[in-house]
Amino acid sequence: DTEVTQTPKHLVMGMTNKKSLKCEQHMGHRAMYWYKQKAKKPPELMFVYSYEKLSINESVPSRFSPECPNSSLLNLHLHALQPEDSALYLCASSLEQANTGELFFGEGSRLTVL
Amino acid sequence: SQQGEEDPQALSIQEGENATMNCSYKTSINNLQWYRQNSGRGLVHLILIRSNEREKHSGRLRVTLDTSKKSSSLLITASRAADTASYFCATVYGQNFVFGPGTRLSVLP
Repeated sequence: DTEVTQTPKHLVMGMTNKKSLKCEQHMGHRAMYWYKQKAKKPPELMFVYSYEKLSINESVPSRFSPECPNSSLLNLHLHALQPEDSALYLCASSLEQANTGELFFGEGSRLTVL
Repeated sequence: SQQGEEDPQALSIQEGENATMNCSYKTSINNLQWYRQNSGRGLVHLILIRSNEREKHSGRLRVTLDTSKKSSSLLITASRAADTASYFCATVYGQNFVFGPGTRLSVLP
């Protein structure tokens, strides 16, 4: 199984809502990542988990809250978002953090904040 | 600041032609990777070239790496309409994968 699965594929939420994005992989990877991507831009790193511990938080606002319940799952909890947070949110995994291997990406969750 | 920079930002070619995209980076690397992204989808890994390699092939893809110039190129030969996508180079900077701004390739039938 070489897949990273993200749900939901699309999410529309108001600025007062609380929602979560989910990501799952069963490749035994120990590093998992959240990226944010705006249209016609490259993915920008948000968070990195390594061995289920938060390794990197790229100064992301607290309205985004990551969680890694176990080595296969990664969540991104969303609360009180702003319209400018609308973007494609990509989850990725790799064998180890920033090792010499590749990143495996999910298909993304398209978020629209009204 | 970004670790990688690609050029051109956008490229339109006819089916059957070759497409060349370039990437420059700023610091020393262990490897450089190229990814492809179809519109609104996730990124897919294409090829990885290590710092001690100068050229690598995979099917219709050819990647070169010049560490003295801190640059890499991706050549897609005999392009097809299905190659239409955005292509990103990526390097490891600190402990993170960092992506260049990407090249949007359009292959016209």
